[in-house]
Amino acid sequence: DQQVKQNSPSLSVQEGRISILNCDYTNSMFDYFLWYKKYPAEGPTFLISISSIKDKNEDGRFTVFLNKSAKHLSLHIVPSQPGDSAVYFCAASEQRSSYKLIFGSGTRLLVRP
Amino acid sequence: DVKVTQSSRYLVKRTGEKVFLECVQDMDHENMFWYRQDPGLGLRLIYFSYDVKMKEKGDIPEGYSVSREKKERFSLILESASTNQTSMYLCASSWVTEAFFGQGTRLTVV
Repeated sequence: DQQVKQNSPSLSVQEGRISILNCDYTNSMFDYFLWYKKYPAEGPTFLISISSIKDKNEDGRFTVFLNKSAKHLSLHIVPSQPGDSAVYFCAASEQRSSYKLIFGSGTRLLVRP
Repeated sequence: DVKVTQSSRYLVKRTGEKVFLECVQDMDHENMFWYRQDPGLGLRLIYFSYDVKMKEKGDIPEGYSVSREKKERFSLILESASTNQTSMYLCASSWVTEAFFGQGTRLTVV
């Protein structure tokens, strides 16, 4: 049973517009959430994270929102750029499991020039 | 900069061979992970280690084993490679929350 779900396998957005990537989770014990970006033939790179005590974290063009009651988080990219085209993975962890990271299946983002 | 190094970028092995994938990190991280990435399935956790000689099964440990004799090194072993183990293998390490990944090993079993 998947604990972290990304229900949209792909997303296409025009350059300059907002990209919104979504992630749902089932384990209410998760207390830390992360987003990773992956280019083909490379390892994932960390993008942004949020602790469960917050509902928003911002870093430049990237903002992550957490809705604990809905067990939902989202990544907003504004404005989107062609270099943002990649696969984005949502991940979650809990302190009592030594922060073992559980990943979603990923969303492929294409930003059209 | 944190560096996680996987010993090979590409490997081709024959069915039934014993395969070793090596991973080394240089940041004194407690946690190390092995994942495999397959299209449509995302990153699935094979094994996790939170300390030297300590290991924990992930979601898909069948057909794999691991070894962590030193803090900086975490090895993934395919005891008898099969074609369904053809995949991208990713090693990662973390101190607490944020994990850093290696460049990946594309393994093909023929």
